Amino acid sequence: QSVLTQPPSASGTPGQRVTISCSGSSSNIGTNYVDWYQQVPGTAPKLLIRKNSQRPSGVPDRFSGSKSGTSASLAVSGLRSEDEADYYCAAWDDSLSGWVFGGGTKLTVL
Amino acid sequence: QVQLVQSGAEVKKTGASVKVSCRASGYTFTNFYIHWVRQAPGQGLEWMGLINPVGGSTTYAHNFQGRVTMTRDTSTSTVFMELSGLRYDDTAIYYCARSVEMATTVDYWGQGTQVTVSS
Repeated sequence: QSVLTQPPSASGTPGQRVTISCSGSSSNIGTNYVDWYQQVPGTAPKLLIRKNSQRPSGVPDRFSGSKSGTSASLAVSGLRSEDEADYYCAAWDDSLSGWVFGGGTKLTVL
Repeated sequence: QVQLVQSGAEVKKTGASVKVSCRASGYTFTNFYIHWVRQAPGQGLEWMGLINPVGGSTTYAHNFQGRVTMTRDTSTSTVFMELSGLRYDDTAIYYCARSVEMATTVDYWGQGTQVTVSS
C-alpha cells in the first residue's frame, strides 16, 4: 500500500483534458514539493513535473502540476495518443526520512 | 549528457545476494546523491534508499534496513547496491537515480536492472 494515494486509472479522448490526483499527508505533500513522473511500459520513469509545477526542459506545456495543502494534481490537456503511460507522484516524507511514491495511475487515450 | 548506466540482468537463488552497479557520467559525481528505487512486475515504484557520494553516508528505507548496503567508488563514479537474503518477492527491476540534495527532485534515472529470484 502506497503512502501517496492516486487513482489506479484515468482516461480521455484525444484533445481532452485529464487530471490525476495525488493525496498525501502533512509529513510529505503538506511540507515538501511534489514531483511527477511518466513511465512508458518497459522504460525507466521520466521526470515530468518538478517542485509542484515546474516543467523540465523538453516537457510540453500540455502538462501542468499544482499543489494545495496535502494534495497535488497533474493535468494533461490536448490529450494525445503518446500520453498513454503510467504516471507517478512522489514527495519526500519527513517522518519516514525517505521518498514516497503514489501507486501510479494508468492513463489510457481512448 | 547525464547518464546513469547500470549493470546487466541477474538471476539469483533464494537466500543469495545480488550486487547491482550504477556508473555515472556527464556531471560531477560528488555533486549528486544517488537513490535506488525498485519496481516489482506490474507494480509501482518503491524507494530503497540513497547514498551521498561525498563520504558515502547512507539512508535506507525501513523495509530494507538490515538487508541492503549501498557503497560508492569515487574513482570510477560508480555506486553499488547489494541486497542480501533474496526472496521471491525481490524479483523486480532496480533503478538508480540522482538528486542534487537528499530531499529534492530525482531528475535522471538509470535504464534499470532486472533481478530475478528463483529456486
